[in-house]
Amino acid sequence: SYVLTQPPSVSVAPGKTARITCGGNNIGSISVHWYQQKPGQAPLLVIYYDDDRPSGIPERFSGSNSGNTATLTISGVEAGDEADYYCQVWDSSSDPPVFGGGTKLTVL
Amino acid sequence: QVTLKESGPVLVKPTETLTLTCTVSGFSLSDARMGVSWIRQPPGKALEWLAHILSNDEKSYTTSLKTRLTISKDTSKSQVVLTMTNMDPVDTATYYCARIDYGDFGPELFDFWGQGTLVTVSS
Repeated sequence: SYVLTQPPSVSVAPGKTARITCGGNNIGSISVHWYQQKPGQAPLLVIYYDDDRPSGIPERFSGSNSGNTATLTISGVEAGDEADYYCQVWDSSSDPPVFGGGTKLTVL
Repeated sequence: QVTLKESGPVLVKPTETLTLTCTVSGFSLSDARMGVSWIRQPPGKALEWLAHILSNDEKSYTTSLKTRLTISKDTSKSQVVLTMTNMDPVDTATYYCARIDYGDFGPELFDFWGQGTLVTVSS
């Protein structure tokens, strides 16, 4: 089955830009979705279809997807952005949904 | 508004069968291009998709647990039920149900999630 690879952790200072990657074979050919999970809470969809934001998600959150890497970018990082972030794909024609291993974002 | 809420036992013994219920509101389980998945997360670990049931009653299971899982729905009660047989301590996890949103080509993502329920497997 399809494998998504995320770095276990990313650290960034407040106000700076965080980039969280999600690697997969030719991932640029399928849609990638991103979820934020704060401690003790359910995951929350923050980016869908590579670069769209659900209502209520700040413009600071953006996404891109090309080649073998999708990227979640958080600009002007705030303390409240500290969370685990998961990428997800679903090539439903052939495979079940797949999650990446998650990346813990630490705001220094 | 769309909500999902999981319910079930917090503690099960090894070899027992787990039954979890997801009660939804704000949408119907018979709505076209809609579905519900079960996803679990062991403490400190990543999300793992387990199963889904779609509005046309199509069901799918993760390969590694296929022989132990059964998913069903009661549209009149707005409930989706997951059973997992022969529980083991490694099945200790928070179990989430989530609504499936469709894309142009089929199921695509999870747009609403329940709060999750922690199930501990221990004798």
